[in-house]
This record gives sequence, C-alpha cells and structure tokens, in this order.
Amino acid sequence: EDQVTQSPEALRLQEGESSSLNCSYTVSGLRGLFWYRQDPGKGPEFLFTLYSAGEEKEKERLKATLTKKESFLHITAPKPEDSATYLCAAPYSGGGADGLTFGKGTHLIIQP
Amino acid sequence: NAGVTQTPKFQVLKTGQSMTLQCAQDMNHNSMYWYRQDPGMGLRLIYYSASEGTTDKGEVPNGYNVSRLNKREFSLRLESAAPSQTSVYFCASREDSYNEQFFGPGTRLTVL
Repeated sequence: EDQVTQSPEALRLQEGESSSLNCSYTVSGLRGLFWYRQDPGKGPEFLFTLYSAGEEKEKERLKATLTKKESFLHITAPKPEDSATYLCAAPYSGGGADGLTFGKGTHLIIQP
Repeated sequence: NAGVTQTPKFQVLKTGQSMTLQCAQDMNHNSMYWYRQDPGMGLRLIYYSASEGTTDKGEVPNGYNVSRLNKREFSLRLESAAPSQTSVYFCASREDSYNEQFFGPGTRLTVL
C-alpha cells in the first residue's frame, strides 16, 4: 500500500532557528516526490519535485533532498512568513490512480 | 492567468440536498483532479480525469460523480449530501503525469 508519512506533525521554531522536516514514503517505482506549502484557508502551493535519490533543490530559505526512502525539507534561518503547513506527496504506484497520495503535513510556526 | 478557479468558496447544505462544485483551469492542462481535505486525514483523491472525455475513480469516490465538460472544466457532483461529506474540496490540474499539480483555492462545504 502506498504510504507517505510526515514528521513531526507540528514544529515551533524561533526566527533564525534552522531545522528539517521529514517525509518517508513506501511507494514502489517512485515517479517523483512533491513538496507543497499550504497557508490557512488556501490551496496547496507547489514548491519542489525530486525524481531521484541524491537530488537536491533550493528556493530561498528552503532546500529539499531525496534518498531512497525519505525526503527532507531543510529550512535555514526561517522567518515568520515561512509559517505554514508543508505537505509531501508522491504519485500512486503503477496500476493505481493517476493522482498524488499526500502525507498529513507538518504545521510549522516561526516565532519572531 | 487565473490558474485553477473553483466556485463556490463556501456552501452549507442540508442532508439529502444535491449540489455541483465547479472547477476551471486556463493552463491548457490535460489532467484534472478532485481531492478532499479533512482534519488529521490529509488530502485524498476522489476522482480524476487524465484527459478530456475520460474520468476515473480515486481513493474515496463513493457518494460523488464527476463530469469533464471540456478541457478546461471538471465538475464534482454530490447527489445526496451526507454529513460525512463535510470537508474542504480542492480541484487541481497538471500538464501530464510527470509534472506538478496546481491547486485551486478550495470550496469549504458543510452538510448539516
């Protein structure tokens, strides 16, 4: 069964305090690992796609990395505006639906 | 470009009433999707349309029907609403199976 698990469920950091969010997956034949950001009352906003182990992508204070079993979203010197829920997702494995299976998200709060 | 638009933004129904959620995208994407998001459950795929003229069931299709009206529009219908269908509904689209999905702003539905 395809599964995407995110940890921690919630994380509170001080402004400037770097940390990492984890996404572990059990999807056979991975065809991409997706990271989204979701603000309260809004739809998910695309951040990154990673396709192969060892791949890294960066955007401002965020860097996403991928291994064979998990992905990390590293947040360096975060600011209050980085507060959001971060979602990890993977396509359903072969023969399944053409869509994404999502983790439950990590609710990140950055305190000034 | 408006991206993915959804109407209505909010809706309250009584048990047994019917309604249609509308979704449109202006990115000329082939694939469109309907998800629901519930607290503690993450996003779950209801139905999808891989191309104009086709629709398929996702993870949680019971109680819903869909119509891919044309390449731009994909609607979700609740024939007889139930309290268990209280949720936030998101529509998404993407160019093909290997690209990221773009999400709409969501419809918050309450069934009393």
